[in-house]
Amino acid sequence: DSGVTQTPKHLITATGQRVTLRCSPRSGDLSVYWYQQSLDQGLQFLIQYYNGEERAKGNILERFSAQQFPDLHSELNLSSLELGDSALYFCASSATPGGGGAREQFFGPGTRLTVL
Amino acid sequence: QKEVEQDPGPLSVPEGAIVSLNCTYSNSAFQYFMWYRQYSRKGPELLMYTYSSGNKEDGRFTAQVDKSSKYISLFIRDSQPSDSATYLCAMGSEKLVFGKGTKLTVNP
Repeated sequence: DSGVTQTPKHLITATGQRVTLRCSPRSGDLSVYWYQQSLDQGLQFLIQYYNGEERAKGNILERFSAQQFPDLHSELNLSSLELGDSALYFCASSATPGGGGAREQFFGPGTRLTVL
Repeated sequence: QKEVEQDPGPLSVPEGAIVSLNCTYSNSAFQYFMWYRQYSRKGPELLMYTYSSGNKEDGRFTAQVDKSSKYISLFIRDSQPSDSATYLCAMGSEKLVFGKGTKLTVNP
């Protein structure tokens, strides 16, 4: 158990809908990262937050957004969902000092999103 | 050229074999190198982390980094059926870039 929790485990929804994925980092970790994993693309970095502020952006679509709250949990919002958004979404956390640098990251169990 | 290349396998070996997994990369700015193990439908689990060239050993696992060749390896000694998983290399400077993973099966 990495100490990172994610809810829900599974999510089934329809095209055009909006969903929210939630992540709680390991105790004491200030950085939270979101990744998308699909069979053809592998693990793709979406976005990083450090202590409530956006720190880095990857291949995140404009339909997707995230935030990190004062208690350090994070939410990833996916809107106007398309069939191609079906994937595993992982959250990871890190004790990266200062928020920068690709230090070791600890992953949660993921949320499996299915868009029908 | 992709930033990180990893042979997807699949790789199938008998129990007790030595396994060698490899990744190459193109970005000479990468400073941090990691190996993750991912069981089916689970989150990636950090196995090894290093930020320098050379070898790092942890039990049956040895990670090698050759920055001059832009090549990293993970060796698994005395492989066990429980090692059957997908192994992902990851590396970066400001953010991590992952390989697509090598699926390993260790047969009893």
